[in-house]
Amino acid sequence: DTEVTQTPKHLVMGMTNKKSLKCEQHMGHRAMYWYKQKAKKPPELMFVYSYEKLSINESVPSRFSPECPNSSLLNLHLHALQPEDSALYLCASSQTPGTEANYGYTFGSGTRLTVV
Amino acid sequence: AQSVTQLDSQVPVFEEAPVELRCNYSSSVSVYLFWYVQYPNQGLQLLLKYLSGSTLVESINGFEAEFNKSQTSFHLRKPSVHISDTAEYFCAVRATGNQFYFGTGTSLTVIP
Repeated sequence: DTEVTQTPKHLVMGMTNKKSLKCEQHMGHRAMYWYKQKAKKPPELMFVYSYEKLSINESVPSRFSPECPNSSLLNLHLHALQPEDSALYLCASSQTPGTEANYGYTFGSGTRLTVV
Repeated sequence: AQSVTQLDSQVPVFEEAPVELRCNYSSSVSVYLFWYVQYPNQGLQLLLKYLSGSTLVESINGFEAEFNKSQTSFHLRKPSVHISDTAEYFCAVRATGNQFYFGTGTSLTVIP
């Protein structure tokens, strides 16, 4: 299995809703990432997990809450989002922290989120 | 600090014509350079990378990029494009730490 699987592929939520994005990989990768991508823009790093521990939080608002229950799963919990949070949310993984240069990231196909 | 500049936001090109997508970087240290491709409604896929050694790197689908240290560039080229090459292309640099710095992307449109 050489994929990063993200669910759902599309999500529409109201500003008062609570929802979660899920990411799963079975490649034994120990670094996992959440990126946010607006249309025609590059991905922006949100969070980095290394060995299931949060290592980087790029000053993301608290309405986004990441969780890494185990080495294969990464969640992003959403609560009280704003319309400007509408974007493509990408999950990525890499073999071990610090090896991205050798192996790059493996990205999922993303969840397209619309906040209404 | 590291940064990546992709000078062309959109590049239209006719099918079977050559194409060059430009990427320049700034870094005070040695860098690793990457090109990622994003097809519509999909995530990013690694196209090719420069780590060290030969400055010319190739992908399996006919793209190549050349690392030019003196010009701090890593331009992507293909001698003959196909319709299926229509996508967004991102140049990225990694110097220290785990972070990648992505360029703003170039939208390649291949015209039949």
